[in-house]
Amino acid sequence: QVQLQESGPGLVKPSETLSLTCSVSGGSISNYHWSWIRQPPGKGLEWIGYIYYTGSTNYNPSLKTRVTISVDTSKNEFSLKLISVTAADTAVYYCARYSYGGGYFDNWGQGTLVTVSS
Amino acid sequence: DIQMTQSPSTLSASVGDRVTITCRASQSISTSLAWYQQKPGRAPKLLIYRASSLESGVPSSFSGSGSGTEFTLTISSLQPDDFATYYCQQYYSYLRTFGQGTKVEF
Repeated sequence: QVQLQESGPGLVKPSETLSLTCSVSGGSISNYHWSWIRQPPGKGLEWIGYIYYTGSTNYNPSLKTRVTISVDTSKNEFSLKLISVTAADTAVYYCARYSYGGGYFDNWGQGTLVTVSS
Repeated sequence: DIQMTQSPSTLSASVGDRVTITCRASQSISTSLAWYQQKPGRAPKLLIYRASSLESGVPSSFSGSGSGTEFTLTISSLQPDDFATYYCQQYYSYLRTFGQGTKVEF
């Protein structure tokens, strides 16, 4: 069973860049799409974007100007960068795997809370 | 964007109850719908995909139905472990969207 683990700072200052990494273990990052999803405290889920192991990406239009997702197949990990953060970006950030050939999420990381505050 | 609307937002139930949650899409999504269960402090867990296919390891007390714009998640007999928040998600559009969630509480 593949396992995903998010890592990165839990506190980011306003206007700075949020950077997270998702390490994939128990399976290869190849041949799948990988995604970031976030959940503000007490609220619902928002899809941020995905990356294919080849590097092709697609982003939520609401975040597209601020988001970059990248992949490092040699390390079996992928990453999220979100620039110019505000308090509205405070959320639990999850990494997740798209099901093979599908568009739903069959494996999730445990999530990491990122707070934007000075 | 395809908007997903769940009802009710909160559902009060007891152990043994049959529970039904509805999810409506703002346009037809065929059967490109998944259901997730989320417990406090935990990541969502996939229950149902393709509107009615049960994910491996998920109890058969969970079932899904529907197509087009209207979908339901049914728990045939609510167990203590089933008290949680449930989300639907469409994957018809590349822009994946979720319902706002339905909290099943005692």
